[in-house]
Amino acid sequence: SQLAEENPWALSVHEGESVTVNCSYKTSITALQWYRQKSGEGPAQLILIRSNEREKRNGRLRATLDTSSQSSSLSITATRCEDTAVYFCATARTGGYKVVFGSGTRLLVSP
Amino acid sequence: NAGVIQTPRHKVTGKGQEATLWCEPISGHSAVFWYRQTIVQGLEFLTYFRNQAPIDDSGMPKERFSAQMPNQSHSTLKIQSTQPQDSAVYLCASSLVVGGEQYFGPGTRLTVL
Repeated sequence: SQLAEENPWALSVHEGESVTVNCSYKTSITALQWYRQKSGEGPAQLILIRSNEREKRNGRLRATLDTSSQSSSLSITATRCEDTAVYFCATARTGGYKVVFGSGTRLLVSP
Repeated sequence: NAGVIQTPRHKVTGKGQEATLWCEPISGHSAVFWYRQTIVQGLEFLTYFRNQAPIDDSGMPKERFSAQMPNQSHSTLKIQSTQPQDSAVYLCASSLVVGGEQYFGPGTRLTVL
């Protein structure tokens, strides 16, 4: 079973709109990572949020973490066409090295 | 810094042939990971090296898949007797420290006919 899972499976918005991707995970973690993968590229980390943090920002991106409900969210404000990508959350068990990725949320931003 | 380099970017093999995929991690990174990505299975962990030593190959299909890291500047993933179900994008990633941010290469798209 997946250690982490994003929802929804896909999203479609217009440029300028805001969007939120959610992630639920199943294990005790030291940190949760959000990655973005554009077509033809490998995933690239957007934000790493540690278990003792509740919120982290990176430009137009904002990640939250709720360890009590084992959930996280990634919000993108003022979306752009270049934000079109698959967004993954990824976790590793506390003390572990193996980062496990969810199946991703496919975001399409159209003009 | 060129990032993680993977070669070739695309490889087409016939069923039963061997395929060798190459990865050059970012200089100074102690951890190297291999993943396989398909539409159906998503991003699957294959194997992990730390300071060139194989640590975990629990994700590797048995018998036909092998990975090596002969020196700190490159790792190889070899698939013997390739099968159509091996068709996927194979991604290599490296990280400075275990559990830290992983930097991915662009991947090698393997197509087995």
